[in-house]
Amino acid sequence: NAGVTQTPKFRVLKTGQSMTLLCAQDMNHEYMYWYRQDPGMGLRLIHYSVGEGTTAKGEVPDGYNVSRLKKQNFLLGLESAAPSQTSVYFCASGRGYGYTFGSGTRLTVV
Amino acid sequence: RKEVEQDPGPFNVPEGATVAFNCTYSNSASQSFFWYRQDCRKEPKLLMSVYSSGNEDGRFTAQLNRASQYISLLIRDSKLSDSATYLCVVLPSDSWGKLQFGAGTQVVVTP
Repeated sequence: NAGVTQTPKFRVLKTGQSMTLLCAQDMNHEYMYWYRQDPGMGLRLIHYSVGEGTTAKGEVPDGYNVSRLKKQNFLLGLESAAPSQTSVYFCASGRGYGYTFGSGTRLTVV
Repeated sequence: RKEVEQDPGPFNVPEGATVAFNCTYSNSASQSFFWYRQDCRKEPKLLMSVYSSGNEDGRFTAQLNRASQYISLLIRDSKLSDSATYLCVVLPSDSWGKLQFGAGTQVVVTP
């Protein structure tokens, strides 16, 4: 049982480049989330989705876009990467009873 | 002010000893509470839910104090493998299932 799978695991971008992070879950969860984690700040919610075709902004949405075209996939896009977006990105699925997280994507923007 | 606040630590604990730490939350309407564990450079994983009456899971005991708006975690007979960051997590009642995470308390168990 794969749970939540994130790709890629690591990436280095130059300022201004774009990229898409993919999150896939096989647990038939309606709710999916994208977080970023920075030292000393904990997990901060970027965007989330409560079902296929729906997305909503979280705490720190600026500079990111998302899409949920299929229930099992939740994509996070960076249109023009900035050094401030250097972080570890986690995808999660589930609801208030507990989330399952992917293993994370370490992104460095230089 | 952060919604969920934790002492970052580290709490340095000799193997076999007991360690306890708290977190406070600001939203009095919060309905569910959890502790997650995060190992270095890994994803958070659910450790245990926290119930109003308090609950145990092996060597781990969680308590909730709604009046003072804090939850606690106690680890008995600490093992080296308990070294990790423990995240306090709260679910507000009107949050569409969105959990709020504290920044974590680091525990280091030493031989």
